[in-house]
Amino acid sequence: EAQVTQNPRYLITVTGKKLTVTCSQNMNHEYMSWYRQDPGLGLRQIYYSMNVEVTDKGDVPEGYKVSRKEKRNFPLILESPSPNQTSLYFCASNPSVEGTDTQYFGPGTRLTVL
Amino acid sequence: GDSVTQMEGPVTLSEEAFLTINCTYTATGYPSLFWYVQYPGEGLQLLLKATKADDKGSNKGFEATYRKETTSFHLEKGSVQVSDSAVYFCALSRSQGGSEKLVFGKGTKLTVNP
Repeated sequence: EAQVTQNPRYLITVTGKKLTVTCSQNMNHEYMSWYRQDPGLGLRQIYYSMNVEVTDKGDVPEGYKVSRKEKRNFPLILESPSPNQTSLYFCASNPSVEGTDTQYFGPGTRLTVL
Repeated sequence: GDSVTQMEGPVTLSEEAFLTINCTYTATGYPSLFWYVQYPGEGLQLLLKATKADDKGSNKGFEATYRKETTSFHLEKGSVQVSDSAVYFCALSRSQGGSEKLVFGKGTKLTVNP
């Protein structure tokens, strides 16, 4: 089954404790991205990647890192989480870097930073 | 910059009522337009899309027409069901370093009562 998976689905942590949210897609998609969803703000892009070893900032990259060492995986890293990073996070992938293909979203990771 | 404005919710309807969720956009050029739906506890999934002016996207009884003259892409359904209860996001695509990036509206929560 074609899908985007994220882990963990739920995470409660404390300020300053490094964490990683994993994202994996099995569709051989080139383009992957991370979004955060906050009430009243919709989805905002954090980082994106157009292929292996190619990543760039989205609209709200502060406090986040990403890496793309393999085509299928695109982890989101919070080196020192803060309470304002409490949010619902979505990973998404797109078949190509051109055109208007549909983005496929993971099920989301709900993060709470105390 | 490019942006999407959609009607604020929440919207509450009775089963079999007519649904309209307004969406307008600001963009340079001619972006593709999308409606995504997020069911409770799930990630976003594409509902329908239109890639050029006057195109009509349709799926599951929902429709939206790309209106260049009014820069709108309103979502409609003639008879909603309880199972349509979800959050609906309007989005446009814009170029991002050779790829296409989605810009989302803030979302409209729809609740359909039996």
